[in-house]
Amino acid sequence: SQTIHQWPATLVQPVGSPLSLECTVEGTSNPNLYWYRQAAGRGLQLLFYSVGIGQISSEVPQNLSASRPQDRQFILSSKKLLLSDSGFYLCAWISGNTIYFGEGSWLTVV
Amino acid sequence: GNSVTQMEGPVTLSEEAFLTINCTYTATGYPSLFWYVQYPGEGLQLLLKATKADDKGSNKGFEATYRKETTSFHLEKGSVQVSDSAVYFCALTSTTSGTYKYIFGTGTRLKVLA
Repeated sequence: SQTIHQWPATLVQPVGSPLSLECTVEGTSNPNLYWYRQAAGRGLQLLFYSVGIGQISSEVPQNLSASRPQDRQFILSSKKLLLSDSGFYLCAWISGNTIYFGEGSWLTVV
Repeated sequence: GNSVTQMEGPVTLSEEAFLTINCTYTATGYPSLFWYVQYPGEGLQLLLKATKADDKGSNKGFEATYRKETTSFHLEKGSVQVSDSAVYFCALTSTTSGTYKYIFGTGTRLKVLA
């Protein structure tokens, strides 16, 4: 069966520090992958999606970037974090027309 | 563009009460509709879905019917439990050049009291 994992689960980073969140999918090949952010008390915002290796689409301008170095690996990065980057980050993939989410990563920028 | 609107929370109910969380949508074509649930500190889990008009999705006692005439997909449960306390998200899919995009509502927090 297919599974999705993301890490780290929780991190506290100072303003101006770099960020790297990693997501991997197992049990499938060439999945469509997504990064969402959920700010405190707010809904889900689509940040990036990828339909294949090296193919990244950005939904909103921001301080973040994404990369897909391997078929089942999706990385969310930042060179310098802002306070406004705090939130709950979710990686997801599509099976059929249904989206499935990872466990999420809590980021607090201090 | 496509959008999802769901009722503001929080919704507070007593155990065994009837639950309705309203969701309406705007979309071109024929989107699929979904409800996701997020328990405290966790990611989102698929609760139920419906892929065409008049379909009823159901799971764990929750139900929602795809109503194209009213563009709605309201979530219902006849008797809620404390363990149902969570945030519920309504969502729809749309495709752009064959790529699925999901649009989520802002979420409705449900608190069930014993």
